[in-house]
Amino acid sequence: AQSVTQPDIHITVSEGASLELRCNYSYGATPYLFWYVQSPGQGLQLLLKYFSGDTLVQGIKGFEAEFKRSQSSFNLRKPSVHWSDAAEYFCAEQHGSSNTGKLIFGQGTTLQVKP
Amino acid sequence: NAGVTQTPKFRVLKTGQSMTLLCAQDMNHEYMYWYRQDPGMGLRLIHYSVGEGTTAKGEVPDGYNVSRLKKQNFLLGLESAAPSQTSVYFCASSYRGSREQYFGPGTRLTVT
Repeated sequence: AQSVTQPDIHITVSEGASLELRCNYSYGATPYLFWYVQSPGQGLQLLLKYFSGDTLVQGIKGFEAEFKRSQSSFNLRKPSVHWSDAAEYFCAEQHGSSNTGKLIFGQGTTLQVKP
Repeated sequence: NAGVTQTPKFRVLKTGQSMTLLCAQDMNHEYMYWYRQDPGMGLRLIHYSVGEGTTAKGEVPDGYNVSRLKKQNFLLGLESAAPSQTSVYFCASSYRGSREQYFGPGTRLTVT
């Protein structure tokens, strides 16, 4: 079955440090990949998406992600974390052939930022 | 333009009670979705709709029913609530073929 894995449940980084959140997908063909962020008590906001083309995609709030087909990964990065980045981050996948738009989400990674 | 809205924001139910969660979107989206979010499990799809009058089961449909009588609304019903349905429920919508979903703010439901 299609699945998305986020190996790190909880990550703590110092403000100003770099960040990488890991995501592995299982769909073998062309996946459509997303990263969402959820601030406490809020809904989900789309950070970035990958459909095709350049494997390094830029998103909002200074985030970027790199698609690596050989590793089935779509890791999220930010060079310098701000305290306001503390939130839960979800990686999600959609079948390239899907005509229903269904998303499969990873378990989520909670980011804590130390001052 | 309010986007995706959900009513109510919070609710506490007793076991066996029923309720309906309302999702409304003003973006003229064809597709709508209901997810539940539980700690350590991400979001899981309950039911979805690809158009007015049509619904389909997602990953965890048991104990829930849905209706899409109007294009802009998608209702999620719990006929007999159980403690296992304590969760945060999110509605989302998208254009047909867009692949990008827009999420509502969520409804926190507690069943005692």
